[in-house]
Amino acid sequence: EAQVTQNPRYLITVTGKKLTVTCSQNMNHEYMSWYRQDPGLGLRQIYYSMNVEVTDKGDVPEGYKVSRKEKRNFPLILESPSPNQTSLYFCASRGLVYNEQFFGPGTRLTVL
Amino acid sequence: AQKVTQAQTEISVVEKEDVTLDCVYETRDTTYYLFWYKQPPSGELVFLIRRNSFDEQNEISGRYSWNFQKSTSSFNFTITASQVVDSAVYFCALLNRDDKIIFGKGTRLHILP
Repeated sequence: EAQVTQNPRYLITVTGKKLTVTCSQNMNHEYMSWYRQDPGLGLRQIYYSMNVEVTDKGDVPEGYKVSRKEKRNFPLILESPSPNQTSLYFCASRGLVYNEQFFGPGTRLTVL
Repeated sequence: AQKVTQAQTEISVVEKEDVTLDCVYETRDTTYYLFWYKQPPSGELVFLIRRNSFDEQNEISGRYSWNFQKSTSSFNFTITASQVVDSAVYFCALLNRDDKIIFGKGTRLHILP
């Protein structure tokens, strides 16, 4: 089944404790991205990647890191999480031919 | 400017009524794609439709239909004979030549039994 997976689905952590949210897709998509969703602000792009070893900042990259060492994986790293990073995070992947973007199930992160 | 506007923040209708969700976009590109996504209360984002800028044919899928009009830069979504399971937040989105998808703020739809 074609899908985007994210782990963990729920995470409660404390300020300053490094964390990684994993994202994997099995559709051989070139394009992957991370979004955060906050009430009243909609979906905002954090980082995106056009292909392996190619990443770029989205609209709200501060406080986040990403890497794309393999085509299928695109982890999101929070080196020193802060409470303002409490949010619902979505990973997405998209092929460059049909451009249909598929989302992972979401990761609900709470930073205390 | 590249922008997607969903002017309706929240809509409530009674079950079996028809409802239309509006989406107006702005882009300087001649080639672009438009999308609709559904986000049910469970939180996942479900892809509903993709339309490219050269295809103005309206689309119907069961109770769902989409009206794409380039002249008014709109891509409206109609649910016919709404059901409680249609209750969700619906997002319209634009993919332009910058290869970036821009989302509207979403419309929260309540279908009342």
